Amino acid sequence: GAGVSQSPRYKVAKRGQDVALRCDPISGHVSLFWYQQALGQGPEFLTYFQNEAQLDKSGLPSDRFFAERPEGSVSTLKIQRTQQEDSAVYLCASSPGVAGGLTDTQYFGPGTRLTVL
Amino acid sequence: GNSVTQMEGPVTLSEEAFLTINCTYTATGYPSLFWYVQYPGEGLQLLLKATKADDKGSNKGFEATYRKETTSFHLEKGSVQVSDSAVYFCALSRGETSGSRLTFGEGTQLTVNP
Repeated sequence: GAGVSQSPRYKVAKRGQDVALRCDPISGHVSLFWYQQALGQGPEFLTYFQNEAQLDKSGLPSDRFFAERPEGSVSTLKIQRTQQEDSAVYLCASSPGVAGGLTDTQYFGPGTRLTVL
Repeated sequence: GNSVTQMEGPVTLSEEAFLTINCTYTATGYPSLFWYVQYPGEGLQLLLKATKADDKGSNKGFEATYRKETTSFHLEKGSVQVSDSAVYFCALSRGETSGSRLTFGEGTQLTVNP
């Protein structure tokens, strides 16, 4: 079956531009996560959705970062006025359940590599 | 807060060698523990997991045992192959009401030579 897909796979932006990154989770998955992975580092949590509700945005690094999942499926991560330090791979993951138990395995997309010049 | 510390890489081994990648964690309560693998050019894939103390996760010849007393989840494989070359990430989740957000280690690059 189809896994998590993300688009675009690569994005180059000039400093100050706005970007929008899309995530299509596995159909029916309740939970959706965004992570940021800097070069040579492990992924770091950005935000979490349960269906359409954004329950945790504590990892968003600044108010330039905004995420939404209006219909509880596709999600968009938007970064306004991009800065060089935003350059990273942005990973989306989905899981069937909400917390704990056997349904909390997260399935990751291939990521979007953002380069800000 | 929660944190994961992984053995520093890169690690280079010959085919059929024994592999250990150390992972220790800091967390309150009883987290679930995971190993994810990232093959070149691909996304993160779950390799194995363990959800309670003394559980052993295993997959594709890899094993890791959840050791609460030493707060560790070391990854082992008895005989590595060239195809095991990848970056390995140890991670934990708390299964909190705000979702099972993962906390990752920094990753360990493994290269297996023929």
